[in-house]
Amino acid sequence: GENVGLHLPTLSVQEGDNSIINCAYSNSASDYFIWYKQESGKGPQFIIDIRSNMDKRQGQRVTVLLNKTVKHLSLQIAATQPGDSAVYFCAEKRGGNKLTFGTGTQLKVEL
Amino acid sequence: KAGVTQTPRYLIKTRGQQVTLSCSPISGHRSVSWYQQTPGQGLQFLFEYFSETQRNKGNFPGRFSGRQFSNSRSEMNVSTLELGDSALYLCASSLARQAGSGRGATDTQYFGPGTRLTVL
Repeated sequence: GENVGLHLPTLSVQEGDNSIINCAYSNSASDYFIWYKQESGKGPQFIIDIRSNMDKRQGQRVTVLLNKTVKHLSLQIAATQPGDSAVYFCAEKRGGNKLTFGTGTQLKVEL
Repeated sequence: KAGVTQTPRYLIKTRGQQVTLSCSPISGHRSVSWYQQTPGQGLQFLFEYFSETQRNKGNFPGRFSGRQFSNSRSEMNVSTLELGDSALYLCASSLARQAGSGRGATDTQYFGPGTRLTVL
């Protein structure tokens, strides 16, 4: 069945370093991918998205890369800050508004 | 512009009871989706409402239901609560185009803070 999964449950990085969070998906029919950030006690917060007809998209300090050949999605955070500590989810959409979420990666920023 | 609001934020119920959760979308947003978040199952889609009609539905039993009002506000109801229904229930709203225009559309969903439901 469809699956959106993450390679690592926890990622620890030093403040100022770049972070890379990975996500694998199995349904090649997905046409839209999104990254969300969830801090403790809050709902998921939209970070960045990418359509399936793109392979890269940049935002402020964040870049999403999509490799459709290997069905892989990644989120790169430049100059990681303590405020970036959170759980990061990738999600996919295949038409309509139903999002299928990955399991999440806990990002810990060490000072 | 105010974000998505959900009430109540916390709720404690006992098995067998029913519960109603409320969601007010961002002003102008017409679609409201509901998700359940648990440590074991993660974030799972419950259903989506658009123009007072259920447009998509996830794989949850019929005890889970919802509705949407003409002002786009939405409620979800869980009847005959079970211990396993303890979760964070999240509501997300989006502008939403007409049904069927979803393919290729990037209709961003914005989430509320959630309602933490504990079933004892």
